[in-house]
Amino acid sequence: EDKVVQSPLSLVVHEGDTVTLNCSYEVTNFRSLLWYKQEKKAPTFLFMLTSSGIEKKSGRLSSILDKKELFSILNITATQTGDSAVYLCAVESGSNYQLIWGAGTKLIIKP
Amino acid sequence: SAVISQKPSRDICQRGTSLTIQCQVDSQVTMMFWYRQQPGQSLTLIATANQGSEATYESGFVIDKFPISRPNLTFSTLTVSNMSPEDSSIYLCSVGQKGEQYFGPGTRLTVT
Repeated sequence: EDKVVQSPLSLVVHEGDTVTLNCSYEVTNFRSLLWYKQEKKAPTFLFMLTSSGIEKKSGRLSSILDKKELFSILNITATQTGDSAVYLCAVESGSNYQLIWGAGTKLIIKP
Repeated sequence: SAVISQKPSRDICQRGTSLTIQCQVDSQVTMMFWYRQQPGQSLTLIATANQGSEATYESGFVIDKFPISRPNLTFSTLTVSNMSPEDSSIYLCSVGQKGEQYFGPGTRLTVT
């Protein structure tokens, strides 16, 4: 059965810290891995990763995929209170855009 | 990226009634998805809605409970029928575009 596992499930850090969120997966027909940030209702798209070892970066956020070890990490440097959110990892398996979702990591940044 | 709107943004409904949620996209898309997110949980796919064909439902979801319409390439509706308190959730529509998936703002449904 396809599955996506995120860790930790929750994390509390202080402003300015660096955090690393993990996402491991087991899927039969991997196409891509996506990271989302969910603050209120709708998840907002962060990154899509398809190739191993190529870091994607957006400001203080970066992510990388390891297709051999079947995992991805999301790094956030110099965290701010606005980074507080649930971070979701999803894997697209197959050719029909359907995503398999992890349970999410709830990140709380304390001022 | 596609711009997606959903209506209503929230509603409080009585047990036994039905609610129809609308999803509008600013561009034509082939595939639209409907998700449910129960409190404290991750997203669960309800069904995939393709224009011109019946929606494809995931295990645990049936058409009688969650009928879906997809009359054209920019619009879809999801109806939550005969509601019970267990249907209290956030309902999200999303579209797939170039491998990425974008979400509407969501509908927060509370059933009393």
